[in-house]
Amino acid sequence: SQTIHQWPATLVQPVGSPLSLECTVEGTSNPNLYWYRQAAGRGLQLLFYSVGIGQISSEVPQNLSASRPQDRQFILSSKKLLLSDSGFYLCAWRYGTSLTDTQYFGPGTRLTVL
Amino acid sequence: AQSVTQPDIHITVSEGASLELRCNYSYGATPYLFWYVQSPGQGLQLLLKYFSGDTLVQGIKGFEAEFKRSQSSFNLRKPSVHWSDAAEYFCAVGSGNTPLVFGKGTRLSVIA
Repeated sequence: SQTIHQWPATLVQPVGSPLSLECTVEGTSNPNLYWYRQAAGRGLQLLFYSVGIGQISSEVPQNLSASRPQDRQFILSSKKLLLSDSGFYLCAWRYGTSLTDTQYFGPGTRLTVL
Repeated sequence: AQSVTQPDIHITVSEGASLELRCNYSYGATPYLFWYVQSPGQGLQLLLKYFSGDTLVQGIKGFEAEFKRSQSSFNLRKPSVHWSDAAEYFCAVGSGNTPLVFGKGTRLSVIA
């Protein structure tokens, strides 16, 4: 069966520090991968998605970036964190080969920027 | 543009009472519709989905949803709510390979 991992589970970082959040998927190959951010009262905001290695689509211009160095690995990064980067970050995957594929979510990373 | 509206930010129901969470969407093509549930501090879990066919779909945990094309709605229902159903519920719409678009969620509180 497929599983999706995110780490760390929680993170507290000072303003201006770098960020690296990792997401990996097991039990599947060539998934579509997604990063969402969930801020209080604002629902889920799609940040990036990837349909293959090295292919990244950005939905919201900001100081975050994403990379996909391996088929089942998706990394969210920042060179300098802002207070507004605080939130709950969710990684998700779907097969992407069928019109009726379902999207599944990881457990999330709670980021607090102080 | 694709959009999903969940009109109710917060709903409180008594345990054992029926529940209906509203979802309206705007989508240019044939929509695929989803309901997810999120417990505090957790990821999202899929409750049910609609792709085609029977407009009344059954999901996990006793939930069901009905797709009404004429009303652009996909409301979630449960006949008898349990305290463990307290969570945040998200409606989403998508098609093919496009990323899902989510509503802002409805927080459900259950009282004794």
